[in-house]
Amino acid sequence: TQLLEQSPQFLSIQEGENLTVYCNSSSVFSSLQWYRQEPGEGPVLLVTVVTGGEVKKLKRLTFQFGDARKDSSLHITAAQPGDTGLYLCAGEMDSSYKLIFGSGTRLLVRP
Amino acid sequence: DAGVTQSPTHLIKTRGQQVTLRCSPKSGHDTVSWYQQALGQGPQFIFQYYEEEERQRGNFPDRFSGHQFPNYSSELNVNALLLGDSALYLCASSLIQLNTEAFFGQGTRLTVV
Repeated sequence: TQLLEQSPQFLSIQEGENLTVYCNSSSVFSSLQWYRQEPGEGPVLLVTVVTGGEVKKLKRLTFQFGDARKDSSLHITAAQPGDTGLYLCAGEMDSSYKLIFGSGTRLLVRP
Repeated sequence: DAGVTQSPTHLIKTRGQQVTLRCSPKSGHDTVSWYQQALGQGPQFIFQYYEEEERQRGNFPDRFSGHQFPNYSSELNVNALLLGDSALYLCASSLIQLNTEAFFGQGTRLTVV
């Protein structure tokens, strides 16, 4: 059973479109991170959210942590081909040092 | 400032063999974690090392073992390799007080044949 469920698993959109990726759990996390991973590379940290209801913006990317700290979303405005990649959410629980990853959302932005 | 470096980048081994993967953490980082990422999956936590000791372990058999050296670099050893061990092995480093800010290396692609 996956502790963090990501949806959708795959997304293919046209350049300029908006999209939202979801990361859901029935468990509470003390913090949640979003990573982007390109083929043959390790994940690259995009953002960390730690407070319920927190919203962070990184240029065209908006990240939100749910009020109950059980879910998160990533919204991309006006997607570009350079946004193509695997987006992973990862959570950390209290009294644990490990990151629990979702299975990822594979995004393809077509020119 | 060098980030997290892993070696080798690719490796092919035969079933039953043993393998050692290496990781140098980002400069200034003192904590190293290892993850296994199977094709099409998110990374799975193997273990974390701090002060040369295993601090936490994931759900992996004893065939998986590790070590951290005084310079904070780390090794992952896998004995008696199985076909199912084929995966991308990722090393992540962080500062003990900022465990959530993990920086990953490019990984070692292990293929067991």
